[in-house]
Amino acid sequence: KAGVTQTPRYLIKTRGQQVTLSCSPISGHRSVSWYQQTPGQGLQFLFEYFSETQRNKGNFPGRFSGRQFSNSRSEMNVSTLELGDSALYLCASSLGQGIFTGELFFGEGSRLTVL
Amino acid sequence: GNSVTQMEGPVTLSEEAFLTINCTYTATGYPSLFWYVQYPGEGLQLLLKATKADDKGSNKGFEATYRKETTSFHLEKGSVQVSDSAVYFCALSSSEGGNKLVFGAGTILRVKS
Repeated sequence: KAGVTQTPRYLIKTRGQQVTLSCSPISGHRSVSWYQQTPGQGLQFLFEYFSETQRNKGNFPGRFSGRQFSNSRSEMNVSTLELGDSALYLCASSLGQGIFTGELFFGEGSRLTVL
Repeated sequence: GNSVTQMEGPVTLSEEAFLTINCTYTATGYPSLFWYVQYPGEGLQLLLKATKADDKGSNKGFEATYRKETTSFHLEKGSVQVSDSAVYFCALSSSEGGNKLVFGAGTILRVKS
């Protein structure tokens, strides 16, 4: 069973640019969550999508957005990049239905560097 | 709101030493508690969990007990190995619904041979 796949794995952007990151969940998983990981802040929740609808949202500015497609694949977008957006962006998938067991399946992440 | 506090690292131990990583939480309601581990270059993976007070989660020699009275979920292992070197995250399930976890800052563990 293929795991969670994130692309690209590494990317470098300059301030003011925008970036789109992609996540393919485990087959059959309908919930996709995004987290930002930085050395200073740890893991911060960005948002969660289930069946193409945003179900939860973290405390990030509107420059951070996401969407989910009918095949459960998800993308997140960051516009007008700032230096502080440099981080590892992690995608996690889960079944999404019924009681949440707490098990999220994480991808290896997309490492974004903003210069 | 919900939050998780972990002991700061890095924690450096010799092989076969006893490990404790402290974790305390603040939450509304009765969250489930988790330990996730991130090995170098990999994504996070669930290590163990406990869903109610006094439950003990265990896996791969690691243990943690859900202590409601002290709002704690400390991770322990009796004898660490070099292969246990990783970042360990304590987390709780959010009361907001959906599949959301609130994570601690993470603790780096380095085990020397």
